[in-house]
Amino acid sequence: GAGVSQTPSNKVTEKGKYVELRCDPISGHTALYWYRQSLGQGPEFLIYFQGTGAADDSGLPNDRFFAVRPEGSVSTLKIQRTERGDSAVYLCASSLTVSPGELFFGEGSRLTVL
Amino acid sequence: KQEVTQIPAALSVPEGENLVLNCSFTDSAIYNLQWFRQDPGKGLTSLLLIQSSQREQTSGRLNASLDKSSGRSTLYIAASQPGDSATYLCAVERQGGSEKLVFGKGTKLTVNP
Repeated sequence: GAGVSQTPSNKVTEKGKYVELRCDPISGHTALYWYRQSLGQGPEFLIYFQGTGAADDSGLPNDRFFAVRPEGSVSTLKIQRTERGDSAVYLCASSLTVSPGELFFGEGSRLTVL
Repeated sequence: KQEVTQIPAALSVPEGENLVLNCSFTDSAIYNLQWFRQDPGKGLTSLLLIQSSQREQTSGRLNASLDKSSGRSTLYIAASQPGDSATYLCAVERQGGSEKLVFGKGTKLTVNP
């Protein structure tokens, strides 16, 4: 595709449910990032992939959060036992090279936990 | 822990005005600093990237400066237009190329026609 694609664009779920958010990066981009943006805040780093491996997952808030990128392209962010505090916009970005490569962001997946 | 602060939080100006957005960071050991634009309900668009060894970068009507020693950056927008209305975010990457950006909360800019 022309840009970073994220699905779903909106997800409403109930507390305690399991959620998967998908990111399809720009073709050929080896680096992929997940950020979380709460209302009125800047994005907060969650995890960074270089190829298939998670090079830095230090931003994941707890063990309910997990992300994979099995073939080095599409990535899925998985959230177990969702809580109301997980409500935010989850942003994915990709870049052709490692830093300081230009980051291209998707439009985000807005998660609402009721 | 790196903290990034942006002031003002919001700014409203008439069309045609030149304006400056400010960004400060607490740890001067940065690898680079980036300015992004975010439109409502959209992702971020990279505007300018300044390496730690650089003092400024320019793109069209935008000019970003970096003073690493004082922990400050400014984004200058010349001859503002209504289409410039958006939230502008500043982000720094830690020295050593950690790949992890620390963002400020942004400045919401409104340019009135």
